[in-house]
Amino acid sequence: DAMVIQNPRYQVTQFGKPVTLSCSQTLNHNVMYWYQQKSSQAPKLLFHYYDKDFNNEADTPDNFQSRRPNTSFCFLDIRSPGLGDAAMYLCATSRGSGDTQYFGPGTRLTVL
Amino acid sequence: DQQVKQNSPSLSVQEGRISILNCDYTNSMFDYFLWYKKYPAEGPTFLISISSIKDKNEDGRFTVFLNKSAKHLSLHIVPSQPGDSAVYFCAASSKTSYDKVIFGPGTSLSVIP
Repeated sequence: DAMVIQNPRYQVTQFGKPVTLSCSQTLNHNVMYWYQQKSSQAPKLLFHYYDKDFNNEADTPDNFQSRRPNTSFCFLDIRSPGLGDAAMYLCATSRGSGDTQYFGPGTRLTVL
Repeated sequence: DQQVKQNSPSLSVQEGRISILNCDYTNSMFDYFLWYKKYPAEGPTFLISISSIKDKNEDGRFTVFLNKSAKHLSLHIVPSQPGDSAVYFCAASSKTSYDKVIFGPGTSLSVIP
């Protein structure tokens, strides 16, 4: 089945220790998104790639970076995680602008 | 500043009855609205959408109603089934940026057998 895969499902890191979250897709979609969702809050878009074109949200902290080395993979790098970065991180893909987004199961990040 | 609001964090409904989930938005530029459903340990999945040129869209047991003047939409599930128990997210986007979908905080629906 075509799908969006996120690894790992649970990630524990220490305060200030860089961490990378991974997303891969078998849908061959052009657009890949990263969302941050804190407990009982709305998923918040951090950035997205349209093919190789990177689109950062204005209020995304500089601490968050992303890489998309090819169509299938997209990474979220948190350079110096703080306690406030503990959240569920959701990856999503879509065929194009405005098309339905398909979400992965998320990675729950804990910062100690 | 929440642009998409779901004021009921949770809702309980008896099996077979109607579930009504409500959503309000503040940005008049929004012209496309979506509902996503999320089970525990899974990502949200698309359920149904509506364009601002319509006031109703139906798909099986699911109907979304849009009241543009009130900036309000609702999702009706009839009849409700235990498998509908999930978190429902309302979301919106505008033609100026369809890639930027703004989500509400979600409503947790419990359908009691």
